[in-house]
Amino acid sequence: DSGVTQTPKHLITATGQRVTLRCSPRSGDLSVYWYQQSLDQGLQFLIQYYNGEERAKGNILERFSAQQFPDLHSELNLSSLELGDSALYFCASSVAGTSGMDTQYFGPGTRLTVL
Amino acid sequence: ELKVEQNPLFLSMQEGKNYTIYCNYSTTSDRLYWYRQDPGKSLESLFVLLSNGAVKQEGRLMASLDTKARLSTLHITAAVHDLSATYFCAVDRTQGGSEKLVFGKGTKLTVNP
Repeated sequence: DSGVTQTPKHLITATGQRVTLRCSPRSGDLSVYWYQQSLDQGLQFLIQYYNGEERAKGNILERFSAQQFPDLHSELNLSSLELGDSALYFCASSVAGTSGMDTQYFGPGTRLTVL
Repeated sequence: ELKVEQNPLFLSMQEGKNYTIYCNYSTTSDRLYWYRQDPGKSLESLFVLLSNGAVKQEGRLMASLDTKARLSTLHITAAVHDLSATYFCAVDRTQGGSEKLVFGKGTKLTVNP
């Protein structure tokens, strides 16, 4: 158990819908990262937040957005869902994530299925 | 753009044998991570390699880093069934005070009795 929690574990929805994935980092960690894992694209970095502010963006679609709240939990919002958005979404956290010295610890993931 | 390549992508081996997984990356980085993922599960951190020549060992797994060759290896000694999993290497891409990991495609290891 990494100490990172994600809810829900599974999500099944229809095309065109909007969903919100939630992540609570390990106690004391200020950085939260979101990754998408799919069979064709592998593991891809989406976005990083540090202490409430966006720090880095990866291959995140415009239909997707995220935020980190004052209590440091984070939410990833996915809208206008398409079949290709079906994937495992991981959240990770690290102590700071600004120095390149921190290990990222991964949550259990949310499996999203778009029908 | 940073690219990370692992090989092999699939590895089937017998218990008791040794083998090495390779991870090459395309641009300079001094930090490399190895993760393990069991089917349907999350990623578990195995090793963090922070400098050239770094070598770390845990049980039957040993990881090393050669930053000049941009190469890391994960060596498996006397494999056992419990090591069956997918192993990912990831390279840190720190830019302007932010971090992201770039992952290889993973090596799916199956250890057969």
